[in-house]
Amino acid sequence: NAGVMQNPRHLVRRRGQEARLRCSPMKGHSHVYWYRQLPEEGLKFMVYLQKENIIDESGMPKERFSAEFPKEGPSILRIQQVVRGDSAAYFCASWKDREDTEAFFGQGTRLTVV
Amino acid sequence: LAKTTQPISMDSYEGQEVNITCSHNNIATNDYITWYQQFPSQGPRFIIQGYKTKVTNEVASLFIPADRKSSTLSLPRVSLSDTAVYYCLVVPLGDNNDMRFGAGTRLTVKP
Repeated sequence: NAGVMQNPRHLVRRRGQEARLRCSPMKGHSHVYWYRQLPEEGLKFMVYLQKENIIDESGMPKERFSAEFPKEGPSILRIQQVVRGDSAAYFCASWKDREDTEAFFGQGTRLTVV
Repeated sequence: LAKTTQPISMDSYEGQEVNITCSHNNIATNDYITWYQQFPSQGPRFIIQGYKTKVTNEVASLFIPADRKSSTLSLPRVSLSDTAVYYCLVVPLGDNNDMRFGAGTRLTVKP
């Protein structure tokens, strides 16, 4: 049973380009969280998704950022018109269901905006 | 939303027992306490979870007093490889909407 898979592991984008980060949850998991982490800081909640639904996006900037978790395929975090301040590690975590007590994290995508 | 407070950093030496305490004064009846470990350049990893009293697994022990306003993660005989950031979370049972991490405790184990 493969763990949570994130790709790419490293992503370099020029200012103004779009970044697409993918997260494939563990098999059978239908709940996904996305987090952002700056160097030497904790994880900052961005968005909570279930299949085809956004449950809580209160941690995500209103502009340029969007997330989806379609019925088929991975969850996608999209950042449009990236700026240098978007440079960070982005982690996703998956759960099986609401009563689960353990979240499984991916290895993260390190986004660098140049 | 139960806020957690834990030390920013701790130092220890190989072979020692390390105790990291987390305060969660406004914990609710249906909240459980979970700890995660994060190594550099990796995603966090679940360590242990409890509701009250003591829980022990192959990695750590978790002590929760009767009032549940704090919890202590205990790592027995740490090694250099235990150097990591440790996060304490308080999460409502059956409601994973609230998986929000604080700054965590950066543990450095020295030889």
